[in-house]
This record gives sequence, C-alpha cells and structure tokens, in this order.
Amino acid sequence: AQKVTQAQTEISVVEKEDVTLDCVYETRDTTYYLFWYKQPPSGELVFLIRRNSFDEQNEISGRYSWNFQKSTSSFNFTITASQVVDSAVYFCALTQGGSEKLVFGKGTKLTVNP
Amino acid sequence: DTGVSQDPRHKITKRGQNVTFRCDPISEHNRLYWYRQTLGQGPEFLTYFQNEAQLEKSRLLSDRFSAERPKGSFSTLEIQRTEQGDSAMYLCASRPGGGILYGYTFGSGTRLTVV
Repeated sequence: AQKVTQAQTEISVVEKEDVTLDCVYETRDTTYYLFWYKQPPSGELVFLIRRNSFDEQNEISGRYSWNFQKSTSSFNFTITASQVVDSAVYFCALTQGGSEKLVFGKGTKLTVNP
Repeated sequence: DTGVSQDPRHKITKRGQNVTFRCDPISEHNRLYWYRQTLGQGPEFLTYFQNEAQLEKSRLLSDRFSAERPKGSFSTLEIQRTEQGDSAMYLCASRPGGGILYGYTFGSGTRLTVV
C-alpha cells in the first residue's frame, strides 16, 4: 500500500525566514513518482514539482528547493527567504509507475507573517 | 487555454437532493480525474477516465455517485440522495497521455455543502 505522511500540520514563520516542509512516503514499488502541490485559499492545487524514483538529484527553482532521499523515503521541500505570498497549504503526493491514482498527504498549512 | 474549469464553484443542497458537477479539462488532455477533499485532509482519488472510458473507480465512490465523460471531453459527477457526509470539495484534474511525464493540472474545485 502507498502512504504519504506530512507530520507538520501547521507551520508559522516570519517573512524572510527559511522553512522546510517534511514529506515521508511508503511504497513497495521501485518505480514511483513524487509531487508537491500548493493550495492557496482559492482552492486550486498548483503543481510545483514532479520527481521520479530513479532521479535522486536535488532540485532548485528560485527560492524553492527539494531534497529527495530514497534511503529515508523522504522528499522534503524548502522555501528560502519566505514571503507572505507563500502562505498556503502544501501537499506531497505519490503515485506508482503505471498507476493513475495520486495518493496525497494531509498537507502542511504554512503561514508567513509580515 | 484557461486550464481546468469546474462548475459550479459552490453548491448548497438539502439532504436527499441530487447534485451534478461539471468539469472541462484542458482540451488536449485525454485523461481526467475526480478527487474529493474534506476539511483538513488531502484530496482522495474517486475515479479516472481515459477519453470516454472510465477505467478506475475508488471504493469511496458509492452507488450514489456516478461519473461520465460522454464524448471524451467534459465530465460530470452526479451524487444522488446527498448525505451530510458528502460535504466536501470536489476537484477535477486532467493531464495528457503518454505516461507520467507531466504534472496533473487541477481545477479550482466545487465546494458542496449538504444541509
């Protein structure tokens, strides 16, 4: 069975602080994909990144970076120099290769205060 | 292209009534998905279409739920005899075929409140 755990329910930081959102996953498959989505108050899930299980390179996109470690089954997300506009709920999700179903974690609500 | 469109954005209905939601995916996307999200939880998979064929249904999709995608374009999700437990955000997503090389694009959802 697949499972995604986001242990941090809510995080509150002050603008310009760095913040890391944790994601731990479980799967028996060797081929799988991991995703991060952002859900602002408007409700739409905004795609941030996709990573497949064979690519453990970390990725940086502007202020966002992702650390994928198969040894600990983790796919953590760091926002550097956070901004108020980063306030949202962030979801980590997993799908097996060949499956069409995304399994989501419960999300982490990030509040960035000015 | 304006992305995945869902209608209505909000629906309030009395228990026992039937409701229908519509999703218009991105036009070149042949795969369409429905998810349900309750308060404080992540989205949960309901069903998936490839073109007009419904290829997978979750156990969450009880007999009161039915989804269609008649011409492989827009999709509808109907809930019959609504119950208070059906109150949730219903999200639609789409993606192109050809393997999971692309992220799923989600709509803004339909928020259902059953009173």
